[in-house]
Amino acid sequence: QQQVKQSPQSLIVQKGGISIINCAYENTAFDYFPWYQQFPGKGPALLIAIRPDVSEKKEGRFTISFNKSAKQFSLHIMDSQPGDSATYFCAASKRREYGNKLVFGAGTILRVKS
Amino acid sequence: GAGVSQSPSNKVTEKGKDVELRCDPISGHTALYWYRQSLGQGLEFLIYFQGNSAPDKSGLPSDRFSAERTGGSVSTLTIQRTQQEDSAVYLCASSFPGLASPETQYFGPGTRLLVL
Repeated sequence: QQQVKQSPQSLIVQKGGISIINCAYENTAFDYFPWYQQFPGKGPALLIAIRPDVSEKKEGRFTISFNKSAKQFSLHIMDSQPGDSATYFCAASKRREYGNKLVFGAGTILRVKS
Repeated sequence: GAGVSQSPSNKVTEKGKDVELRCDPISGHTALYWYRQSLGQGLEFLIYFQGNSAPDKSGLPSDRFSAERTGGSVSTLTIQRTQQEDSAVYLCASSFPGLASPETQYFGPGTRLLVL
């Protein structure tokens, strides 16, 4: 059962452009939504995260937009750079549940062309 | 400081053999997770350890998979009688469920397992 659906599977953006990755979830009990960035041969690293009591969170060039009623959240990368080329995963979890295990989307391969 | 380390980084084995994958979490992190990443797929939760509490084994795909954590630190994931569908990257993560950022899981580089 895929509880977090992520799109697109891959994305090509010109340098300086905006990269947008979308995720949708099914379980309304989820209350923590992180985005992870993964470079080839490395483990995922936390990029930015949001909780459902806010609709947007911005950290530098990275912004999460959250729509609780639609059960959707998205990652926006402003002024995309070639160094942003990586695989991005959205995830969700229920913090109060024992373990805080993350449910991941399938990932988006981002390529930023210089 | 040192991050999460995993060994071996790559493992090639024959179908039917047993394999052991090791994870060294960040010092002081009481929570430890194992995930599996199949080609082109997201990460799939396998098992979770927190201190001396009983582990959450709800993600283990079959009874061929088991894991233990000794002394609240190092963890070993064992796959018995490996099958070709077990080929994947096995990722370990650790966290410290404190007051500040309880949810941040720090991942190791993974072990790439190939079952021939």
